[in-house]
Amino acid sequence: EPEVTQTPSHQVTQMGQEVILRCVPISNHLYFYWYRQILGQKVEFLVSFYNNEISEKSEIFDDQFSVERPDGSNFTLKIRSTKLEDSAMYFCASKTVLNYGYTFGSGTRLTVV
Amino acid sequence: SQKIEQNSEALNIQEGKTATLTCNYTNYSPAYLQWYRQDPGRGPVFLLLIRENEKEKRKERLKVTFDTTLKQSLFHITASQPADSATYLCALAGGLTGGGNKLTFGTGTQLKVEL
Repeated sequence: EPEVTQTPSHQVTQMGQEVILRCVPISNHLYFYWYRQILGQKVEFLVSFYNNEISEKSEIFDDQFSVERPDGSNFTLKIRSTKLEDSAMYFCASKTVLNYGYTFGSGTRLTVV
Repeated sequence: SQKIEQNSEALNIQEGKTATLTCNYTNYSPAYLQWYRQDPGRGPVFLLLIRENEKEKRKERLKVTFDTTLKQSLFHITASQPADSATYLCALAGGLTGGGNKLTFGTGTQLKVEL
């Protein structure tokens, strides 16, 4: 069964450093998303991406965050200057059409120290 | 503000019984509702989707109901097995706007199926 692949599985970074989280969505999917989950809390929407542009973003997704789909297969989330409160599991997700279930990756656990 | 509530207390049931999980929401008119399973340290796994004009959906041992008047969905697992032990997440998406619809998740209910 097709999978959404995320790398790395775990990233430790110092506060103030830039991180890039990488995702390879399912190849025929059209809609791409980033969500995050702080330990013990609910899964929160960050951003959605369709037709090579951001279609919606949450309040969490401020100027420190950006997304790219540079080569038609990879989908990246960049955090420019990490803060302690950015520590969380970050999930990439994709889907083929509206009104259908999402396929989530296994996540990247980001720890900011 | 939009609110999605799931039982925060863990649900413990015996193997073979039917597990019923509840999702209530307020200040929301979702176009569809989804249920996901999440295991510790893993991403959510899609189980079922039900649209606002549907009352019930089934898939194997799973059944979902959706009452837009009560603003509630019930998720049933029949003949439960220890392998069904996980956290189950309710997620809503509202109105067709074109492009991707974001999901708003509840906090999840942890299910434990005991032998």
